[in-house]
Amino acid sequence: EVQLVESGGGLVKPGGSLRLSCVASGFTFANVWMTWIRQVPGKGLEWVCRIKRRIESETTDYAAPVKGRFTISRDDSKNTLYLQMNSLKIEDTAVYYCATSVSLDAFDIWGQGTMVAVSS
Amino acid sequence: DIVMTQSPDSLAVSLGERATINCRSSQSVLYNSNNKNYLAWYQQKPGQPPKLLIYGASTRESGVPDRFSGSGSGTDFTLTISSLQAEDVAVYYCQQYYSTPFTFGPGTKVDIK
Repeated sequence: EVQLVESGGGLVKPGGSLRLSCVASGFTFANVWMTWIRQVPGKGLEWVCRIKRRIESETTDYAAPVKGRFTISRDDSKNTLYLQMNSLKIEDTAVYYCATSVSLDAFDIWGQGTMVAVSS
Repeated sequence: DIVMTQSPDSLAVSLGERATINCRSSQSVLYNSNNKNYLAWYQQKPGQPPKLLIYGASTRESGVPDRFSGSGSGTDFTLTISSLQAEDVAVYYCQQYYSTPFTFGPGTKVDIK
């Protein structure tokens, strides 16, 4: 079964850090670009960042609101995607989804999401 | 950044009737070298992640009922549900994946009248 499972969410104070993980199964993880997308509960979807494949030097792209604070990385040997979130702000509160496309097209595989709450 | 807009914000349609959602991008998402529009439609139900319905503006994802169809090119796109079913109640998002950041529209909520 094709699957993405996120973990690592939780409650953190402003200025704190958190690392999210996303474990993939059912497809060849090393062959796909991986993406984090977030959603404030009850609101719309926001693309956060993307990492390309090793053959593409694992090139990364970030949305402006998180650039310099968040770092996306991957471990193909563990079929795992990571999101290191530093200097967290209240406005980073959201459900964080990992997503991918097995055909390098639109996002056809999504995880169930992990909730990150930033509050004092 | 490419800005995505959708209309209407919400709509209520009778069962079996047609629902039409519009999406516009602030710049073309048509890649001329392959004549492909990098535009997708997603359906999201409460408590669930989004589900891909349409990619390339008009190609239905495997397993998606054929009452869902996508059309348009360049900057203007439409998602049509030809005969609304109860299970289609959801929020629908368009998304461009032409250039990063891959932006989403604000969503259109579809309900039963």
